[in-house]
Amino acid sequence: IAGITQAPTSQILAAGRRMTLRCTQDMRHNAMYWYRQDLGLGLRLIHYSNTAGTTGKGEVPDGYSVSRANTDDFPLTLASAVPSQTSVYFCASSDSPRDEQFFGPGTRLTVL
Amino acid sequence: RKEVEQDPGPFNVPEGATVAFNCTYSNSASQSFFWYRQDCRKEPKLLMSVYSSGNEDGRFTAQLNRASQYISLLIRDSKLSDSATYLCVVNRSLTGGGNKLTFGTGTQLKVEL
Repeated sequence: IAGITQAPTSQILAAGRRMTLRCTQDMRHNAMYWYRQDLGLGLRLIHYSNTAGTTGKGEVPDGYSVSRANTDDFPLTLASAVPSQTSVYFCASSDSPRDEQFFGPGTRLTVL
Repeated sequence: RKEVEQDPGPFNVPEGATVAFNCTYSNSASQSFFWYRQDCRKEPKLLMSVYSSGNEDGRFTAQLNRASQYISLLIRDSKLSDSATYLCVVNRSLTGGGNKLTFGTGTQLKVEL
């Protein structure tokens, strides 16, 4: 692995289903982030983690949860998906919260 | 008012042209600034950080004006491969700790033959 990987690449999901988007980085970055990107709205922060074992809410956290059990992994869970969660989801990491962020390739999620 | 504002474009320019993008930010406590590039259906990638004294990286020049809360990106001798969306990004500290990175919605550039 080099950088950040995300899985799956894309997914079509029925409303009401539970879904976990995976994110793994091998850069030993302390901070990790989840964003969603929607047309005309740009990137919006869902949740973040400044270091392993801690998480925080971003701009649009409702309907999403995260965990940070170790440095490398930062999964995002949709407990009960709704159509408004149709979006492209990007995971990112940075060495510290002040530094530039590096992004994964994204997960394209469609909720029907 | 949005925290970071950019002209969405698109800017359609001929190959070889010079093009400039502007970005304004509303929070004077903002501390660090970046330009990212995003190709269609791809992830954003860091193009360059923006320093107070201005900085240059090849054909790209970034400027910061803290008094006017304004950031710019100049691209000289545009190439077809420069066609992308350019995101202005502003980072500031939060009361109580942590940082917030705010992305503009992006300016679309199309370089044509």
